[in-house]
Amino acid sequence: AQSVTQLGSHVSVSEGALVLLRCNYSSSVPPYLFWYVQYPNQGLQLLLKYTTGATLVKGINGFEAEFKKSETSFHLTKPSAHMSDAAEYFCAVSDPFMNTGFQKLVFGTGTRLLVSP
Amino acid sequence: DVKVTQSSRYLVKRTGEKVFLECVQDMDHENMFWYRQDPGLGLRLIYFSYDVKMKEKGDIPEGYSVSREKKERFSLILESASTNQTSMYLCASSLSRTGLAGVSDTQYFGPGTRLTVL
Repeated sequence: AQSVTQLGSHVSVSEGALVLLRCNYSSSVPPYLFWYVQYPNQGLQLLLKYTTGATLVKGINGFEAEFKKSETSFHLTKPSAHMSDAAEYFCAVSDPFMNTGFQKLVFGTGTRLLVSP
Repeated sequence: DVKVTQSSRYLVKRTGEKVFLECVQDMDHENMFWYRQDPGLGLRLIYFSYDVKMKEKGDIPEGYSVSREKKERFSLILESASTNQTSMYLCASSLSRTGLAGVSDTQYFGPGTRLTVL
């Protein structure tokens, strides 16, 4: 079964600084990869996803992530943080779902991004 | 606009009560999911459904059941609520149930129900 590791439960940056949120997954077989964001008191919203093709994926709000097969990583970056980016970010990976033929998402434990003025 | 709604944002129940959490999606999606979210544990899948009346257990189904009588509605049932079921419950839906095509589908989440069991 897949597992997802997000390094750092909290990341603090200053407004305008680079944002880097780390995500590593366990499988040697390239899965589908996702980043979701959760703003306070809201559900999760898709930021971006990697399925096939170009390994650099661009998402909403200026975020992007790069799939690196050799490192089993899918780190999320944004060149310049904005106060409105303060939220919790979840990395997720697809995983075969027992004998159903379907696949489910396995989520990391989340990283809370704090942005200071 | 994509919409997943959950019946309550906040719910307080007593130990032993039967609790119903309702989720409705208006996107004609095949798949629907129930997760619980706990600090430090991320999201964990409780149950999912890929069609009306069809369901599959997720990673933590113990103490829960589900019902999907109509395509747009997916209910999570706590038969006898316990304090360790105090949590945030998130419902999600996605378009397709067909294998690999389904797994790349975006899951759309509701706002969540924060359940407290006293």
